[in-house]
Amino acid sequence: EVQLVESGGGLVQPGGSLRLTCAASGFTFSSYWMQWVRQVPGKGLVWVSNINSDGSSTNYGDSVKGRFTISRDNAKNTLYLQMNSLRVEDTAVYYCASWTSMTSFCVWGQGTTVTVSS
Amino acid sequence: DVVMTQSPLSLPVTLGQPASISCRSSQSLVHSDGNTFLSWFQQRPGQSPRRLIYQVSNRDSGVPDRFSGSGSGTDFTLRISRVEAEDVGVYYCFQGAHWPQAFGQGTKVEI
Repeated sequence: EVQLVESGGGLVQPGGSLRLTCAASGFTFSSYWMQWVRQVPGKGLVWVSNINSDGSSTNYGDSVKGRFTISRDNAKNTLYLQMNSLRVEDTAVYYCASWTSMTSFCVWGQGTTVTVSS
Repeated sequence: DVVMTQSPLSLPVTLGQPASISCRSSQSLVHSDGNTFLSWFQQRPGQSPRRLIYQVSNRDSGVPDRFSGSGSGTDFTLRISRVEAEDVGVYYCFQGAHWPQAFGQGTKVEI
């Protein structure tokens, strides 16, 4: 079964750091781009970041650029999101996802909740 | 940055009747490779999103054929030919042609 499982969410103070993890299974992780998408409860989806299959290319949304770092370990089938200098407005459910733009492949995790509050 | 604008933001529907959602981008979504990277995602209440359509009109595996996508350049449409109860949720268009990638605001479909 193709699956993504996020972990690492929690409560953190403004200015703090958190690292999210996404464990992949059921597909050839090292062949696919990976994405992070976030969603404030009751609000819309916001694309956060992505990384290419070998980790050599990364991209970020404007709101997280310079504060968040995406990375992957293909030997461990794991995706990461290092979040530094967290702000109250970073509070959201963070989804790990993978999709291709050329074929019918798309998988999402169940999400992990990050709360930034003092 | 490319801005994705959906309309309407709320769509009351009747079971068995058609429905459509519009998505407009502030720039053409035709990539330099000639492909148009516009997708549609569905998020049912309490669930993670799933993709319905990629590259404007290609249905993902397992997506009912009552869902169809069309459009070109900057104007795109998602159509549901006959709405079923399980179609309730929020629908998002998404552009992957330009950095940063972006979702539309979402359209809430309710019976």
